[in-house]
Amino acid sequence: DSGVTQTPKHLITATGQRVTLRCSPRSGDLSVYWYQQSLDQGLQFLIQYYNGEERAKGNILERFSAQQFPDLHSELNLSSLELGDSALYFCASSVSGRPDTQYFGPGTRLTVL
Amino acid sequence: GIQVEQSPPDLILQEGANSTLRCNFSDSVNNLQWFHQNPWGQLINLFYIPSGTKQNGRLSATTVATERYSLLYISSSQTTDSGVYFCAERRSQGNLIFGKGTKLSVKP
Repeated sequence: DSGVTQTPKHLITATGQRVTLRCSPRSGDLSVYWYQQSLDQGLQFLIQYYNGEERAKGNILERFSAQQFPDLHSELNLSSLELGDSALYFCASSVSGRPDTQYFGPGTRLTVL
Repeated sequence: GIQVEQSPPDLILQEGANSTLRCNFSDSVNNLQWFHQNPWGQLINLFYIPSGTKQNGRLSATTVATERYSLLYISSSQTTDSGVYFCAERRSQGNLIFGKGTKLSVKP
């Protein structure tokens, strides 16, 4: 158990819908990262937050957004869903975002029908 | 940008065999992690190893930063070692760049 929690574990929805994925980092970790794993793109970085502020952006679509709350949990919002958004979404956390170990949550498997 | 290449892409072993997985980088190593993704999809930290050698049970890893590669050794493989092994390099902003992984199947 990495100490990072993600909910829900599975999510099945229809095209055009909007969903919210939730992540709670390890106790004491200030940085939260979101990654997407799909069959064709592999594991890709989406976005990073550090202590409530956006720190870095990767290949995140405009239909996707995220935020980190004062209690340090984070939410990833996916809207106008398309079939190609079906993937495993991981959240990871680290203490500071400097070179150190990132710990990954169990992931949320999103299926868009 | 940073590119991470892993080899081999697939590996089939008989239980008890040893194996070496390789990870090459296009940039100087800043922060390197090895992960195991089990058949249920969970990403498990194996090593944080920007340089040098570390060992944990039957697994060990070596990173030669000057030559831009890292190796993961699995000895006396077990069926529970099956899954996909990823290496990942850290970008300056902090996020990880992953290789495409090595899919390992250990047969009983």
